[in-house]
Amino acid sequence: RKEVEQDPGPFNVPEGATVAFNCTYSNSASQSFFWYRQDCRKEPKLLMSVYSSGNEDGRFTAQLNRASQYISLLIRDSKLSDSATYLCVVNRGGSSNTGKLIFGQGTTLQVKP
Amino acid sequence: GAVVSQHPSWVICKSGTSVKIECRSLDFQATTMFWYRQFPKQSLMLMATSNEGSKATYEQGVEKDKFLINHASLTLSTLTVTSAHPEDSSFYICSARVGTSGRTIYEQYFGPGTRLTVT
Repeated sequence: RKEVEQDPGPFNVPEGATVAFNCTYSNSASQSFFWYRQDCRKEPKLLMSVYSSGNEDGRFTAQLNRASQYISLLIRDSKLSDSATYLCVVNRGGSSNTGKLIFGQGTTLQVKP
Repeated sequence: GAVVSQHPSWVICKSGTSVKIECRSLDFQATTMFWYRQFPKQSLMLMATSNEGSKATYEQGVEKDKFLINHASLTLSTLTVTSAHPEDSSFYICSARVGTSGRTIYEQYFGPGTRLTVT
């Protein structure tokens, strides 16, 4: 079983739609959680960190459920420019927190006009 | 956000040659940098953690004698792929950790990547 699991999709949605991605992680000692966005043949870019209380940044809302070990990302009012692969990323943490990140395989989103 | 650069952005080399990739943090000091590799349609796989002034820590299955890492300053880490073979062709990406003492969340910013093709 992978340490961070995501549904690879693709998710094909019309412009303006609301779409949600989920991600599960297996290591209960994980401390930090992120969503990154990666465009085709480009490097990942930090979209948002995920805080325990949940957080929102414009059209994007991230939630963390430690008890169930899952993270979600909600995108409202989808734009064509939101088309990308969304990576769920977890920092294992632990006593020697080296900042090592574990990446999910990514969920591909295609927003259609 | 913090800016990380990589050079070169792409390189084509012949089998058996060595290739050096540079990763620089442009507007901050990075005591820790990370090197990843990504094959088509796969996720990023961490190769090694590079610490300034000390030896790199390699992930299981990554040959340290083949992938030489040097982190000589707080703004520069290099990855040298020695005796490259076609199976080493991949997208190599570095990242630098941004964090302050007392924080538990360490955000990482990625360089633009280097696409290596070995013929």
